[in-house]
Amino acid sequence: GQNIDQPTEMTATEGAIVQINCTYQTSGFNGLFWYQQHAGEAPTFLSYNVLDGLEEKGRFSSFLSRSKGYSYLLLKELQMKDSASYLCAVLDSNYQLIWGAGTKLIIKP
Amino acid sequence: ETGVTQTPRHLVMGMTNKKSLKCEQHLGHNAMYWYKQSAKKPLELMFVYNFKEQTENNSVPSRFSPECPNSSHLFLHLHTLQPEDSALYLCASSQDGTGNQPQHFGDGTRLSIL
Repeated sequence: GQNIDQPTEMTATEGAIVQINCTYQTSGFNGLFWYQQHAGEAPTFLSYNVLDGLEEKGRFSSFLSRSKGYSYLLLKELQMKDSASYLCAVLDSNYQLIWGAGTKLIIKP
Repeated sequence: ETGVTQTPRHLVMGMTNKKSLKCEQHLGHNAMYWYKQSAKKPLELMFVYNFKEQTENNSVPSRFSPECPNSSHLFLHLHTLQPEDSALYLCASSQDGTGNQPQHFGDGTRLSIL
């Protein structure tokens, strides 16, 4: 079967750095997405990785290793507004999106 | 403002009621999606429309009936729902249905079945 694993919940301190991991086992791979979802709001697109390596976008970076079936989202200089759920999703060989259950990130002052 | 608007934001209904959820996108996209989001579970894709044609129906019970009159509007008609259907229903759109385009989501309709 197809599976996306990410931690259920993480806690970090304002101003610090946090890494949210995502591992996947899917039938084929055509890219990996990260979305942010604040409580009671719409998921919003953060990043899309299809090639190995690190992509940086401001305070947020996303890394992909296709050989290891692994990605992470790195958040730097954490702010209180970064408290949200972070969803990992993989596009399989049929171009179907397989979603993880999300990681709830709690930022403490 | 994501460019995707869902109404109503909250809906409480009995099991014998009939109601409809509405989604409208102002992004000029050609693909639209319905998802079910339950607590601590992955997003469940329900239906996909690409250029107004339904291209995906993920074994969704017939008590959920989608309608896509044009590329900007999507409805989900509900009837004879069960308590386990209580969830957040999210609508999304993307440029096309190829899958490698980011999806833009609405804020969802929080549905509670009594």
